Amino acid sequence: GENVEQHPSTLSVQEGDSAVIKCTYSDSASNYFPWYKQELGKRPQLIIDIRSNVGEKKDQRIAVTLNKTAKHFSLHITETQPEDSAVYFCAASFTDKLIFGTGTRLQVFP
Amino acid sequence: DAGITQSPRHKVTETGTPVTLRCHQTENHRYMYWYRQDPGHGLRLIHYSYGVKDTDKGEVSDGYSVSRSKTEDFLLTLESATSSQTSVYFCAIRTGGPYGYTFGSGTRLTVV
Repeated sequence: GENVEQHPSTLSVQEGDSAVIKCTYSDSASNYFPWYKQELGKRPQLIIDIRSNVGEKKDQRIAVTLNKTAKHFSLHITETQPEDSAVYFCAASFTDKLIFGTGTRLQVFP
Repeated sequence: DAGITQSPRHKVTETGTPVTLRCHQTENHRYMYWYRQDPGHGLRLIHYSYGVKDTDKGEVSDGYSVSRSKTEDFLLTLESATSSQTSVYFCAIRTGGPYGYTFGSGTRLTVV
């Protein structure tokens, strides 16, 4: 069935360190993989996305990699800052809809 | 934000009562979605719509129905609310590229 698994569920890092969040998806036909950031009490907001014809995409301190063969994709945040603390969701497209992972709570300690 | 609003923002209701949540958009987007968010479960798709009167089920559709009689409004109805439906409900519209989603501010529903 349609499924996205996300790990870890919580992640604590020191300010300035890197953070990596990993997701796997079930449907080889999925072709779009966005990442959303949700701050406490707010709505999820898109921070970066990647399409299946691209292996890596970078935007300043964040990057996403995609391994279609293994059906894995990952979010990389470098030089983490306290304002990066939030819940991060990965998602994968299944026909007309997005299915989300269960989220990763990232805490960045000063 | 991107012309999407949800109402109400908060609601407390009693078990067994019907509840309707509204999602309104001002930009004429074709696709609209209802998700629920619960700790440990992330965002789970309830129902979605791909046009007026065109809807389909998501992952957790039991106990919910939807209607879309005009492009701008997508209604989610809990016919007989249960405590397990206590959650935060997010509406989303597909706004960017083939799959770019924009979320509404959410509705916090408590069933007592």
